[in-house]
Amino acid sequence: TAGITQAPTSQILAAGRSMTLRCTQDMRHNAMYWYRQDLGLGLRLIHYSNTAGTTGKGEVPDGYSVSRANTDDFPLTLASAVPSQTSVYFCASSGGVTGELFFGEGSRLTVL
Amino acid sequence: GQNIDQPTEMTATEGAIVQINCTYQTSGFNGLFWYQQHAGEAPTFLSYNVLDGLEEKGRFSSFLSRSKGYSYLLLKELQMKDSASYLCAVKDSNYQLIWGAGTKLIIKP
Repeated sequence: TAGITQAPTSQILAAGRSMTLRCTQDMRHNAMYWYRQDLGLGLRLIHYSNTAGTTGKGEVPDGYSVSRANTDDFPLTLASAVPSQTSVYFCASSGGVTGELFFGEGSRLTVL
Repeated sequence: GQNIDQPTEMTATEGAIVQINCTYQTSGFNGLFWYQQHAGEAPTFLSYNVLDGLEEKGRFSSFLSRSKGYSYLLLKELQMKDSASYLCAVKDSNYQLIWGAGTKLIIKP
């Protein structure tokens, strides 16, 4: 079972360039999320989607955009990358009896 | 504001028992989660508490006291593979997850 697939796993990006991080799930979960994880900080929610066709802003949405055209895909776009966006990005979906999160393997992004 | 506190780092010995504490102050409460995250990997779900008391799952147990805003994760018979970060997260009144910064657990032989 693939679960959640993220791509790319790692990327170095020049400041000012745009970048889309891809996320695909095969669990048919309605809710999906994008988090960033930085050393010493908890996971911070960037954007979320409760169901296909809807999206919402999380704690740190500035500089990021998302779309949810269908249940399976939830791409995250950086329109004009800045060095402060250097981080590890995790895509997740929620399901199961407790609504726990299932995470992708992460995308490590470095903006120079 | 909303806040989750857990120790930054703990050290324990292989075969021993360790307790990782988590205190929280959130706007409402709809459940508390513990996740395990090995270095360079994604977090994986360990446990969920929504009612007061102890939930046991093999070598891992999680306790919740809603009146005290407190939870702990208890790991027994520690193994080297338990070296990881342990993340505490609370679902608030809006069903949004608030995350602690994580506790890095170091297991020594």
